[in-house]
Parts: sequence; C-alpha cells; structure tokens
Amino acid sequence: DAKTTQPNSMESNEEEPVHLPCNHSTISGTDYIHWYRQLPSQGPEYVIHGLTSNVNNRMASLAIAEDRKSSTLILHRATLRDAAVYYCILMNSGGYQKVTFGTGTKLQVIP
Amino acid sequence: GAVVSQHPSWVICKSGTSVKIECRSLDFQATTMFWYRQFPKQSLMLMATSNEGSKATYEQGVEKDKFLINHASLTLSTLTVTSAHPEDSSFYICSASVLTPRGYTFGSGTRLTVV
Repeated sequence: DAKTTQPNSMESNEEEPVHLPCNHSTISGTDYIHWYRQLPSQGPEYVIHGLTSNVNNRMASLAIAEDRKSSTLILHRATLRDAAVYYCILMNSGGYQKVTFGTGTKLQVIP
Repeated sequence: GAVVSQHPSWVICKSGTSVKIECRSLDFQATTMFWYRQFPKQSLMLMATSNEGSKATYEQGVEKDKFLINHASLTLSTLTVTSAHPEDSSFYICSASVLTPRGYTFGSGTRLTVV
C-alpha cells in the first residue's frame, strides 16, 4: 500500500478555515486521494476525493500538489460538528483493494 | 445512495459466548466487504476481506477460527466473534466497495463489550 502521513492533531477556532495536510510521496499514477472523517463512535464517512485537479464540494475543498505527493483538505469555516479524526487514504481506480488507515489527524474545534 | 447498515450498534455479552454482527448494503450489491476493528484512541485496523460466495481473506495475526466471516449474499456479510473474551471488546466496523469514484461506504460500527 502507498502510505500517507498526517499530523496527529490540529486545532482550529470555530468559524475559521482549517487546512489539514497529507503527504503521500509514494503515490502511483492510478491512485486517487480520498479523505474520510470519523466522528466519535461512528464509522468513517466520505468527505472528498480527487486525482490531479483541485476539487470542491459542499463539505470541503481538496487541494492537490502539482506533483501529487501531497494534498490539503480545506474546511472553509470550521464548526463544532467538524471535530473528528480526518483520514487521508489512497485508492486506485480498481475499487476493490483493501484500504489501510493511517493514524489520521484529530481535529479539535475551539468555540 | 450507497448505504451500509450495520447491526447491532452495540452489544454486551458474557465471556465465552458468541456474538454476530451484520453488515448489509441497502441499495447496492457488494461483492466485497471489509471488516475493521478499532481500539480506543487508535486507528482502524483491517481484520479481513469478505468476498461473496468464497472464503474470507484474513490479515496477518487475525484468528480466522475466532472471527468467523460469512458473505452468503451480495448484500450481507456477517462477523461472528466466537468464544468472546474481554480483550475482544472493541469497535467493529464494516465497509463495502462501491462502484463509484467515492470508493468505500462504511457502516456505523458496533461497540462490543465482553464482560
């Protein structure tokens, strides 16, 4: 598995933007960059994914470096409900391969 | 769309008994499902890959006779923890591969407590 590296924890003030980084220097050409988040006592939920271009959806934005060796998940205005563990995961286009979770980034949102 | 329902959400059982956890894909067919275990303050650890109509593939260190996986249909995979012990207490999560770019959909998890 291509591995990802994320900071263990980050803090953000409520209503402020948050930039969650992820390094994936061994990414292959067919790997998509996926972000999931896990709220306490729940299963992970999909946030966003991308291949090469930056992506936006109603939850977040994903900025992908030109060499694809790193990416950043952007929450434009953090709310208390965004407090979760955020996982950056690489998945190839095949769709059936097992996924290995790293430690993720625990985001704390301060009121 | 692409909802995975996991049941029960929590269960308490006595040491030595067996517990079955169900994972259902509600609006799609899942030929492949995955089972994870998560201890407090730790990341998800993949236990096994469940394939419809064939034997599950277990990760190294996971006892296949203790964690029985059955994937008898395209919408249901079950994990049975046999002869449960307190050290099996954990949060168990299933996921299914979805044939969309989103990749995987996860169940809501099952909190198992063995007393």
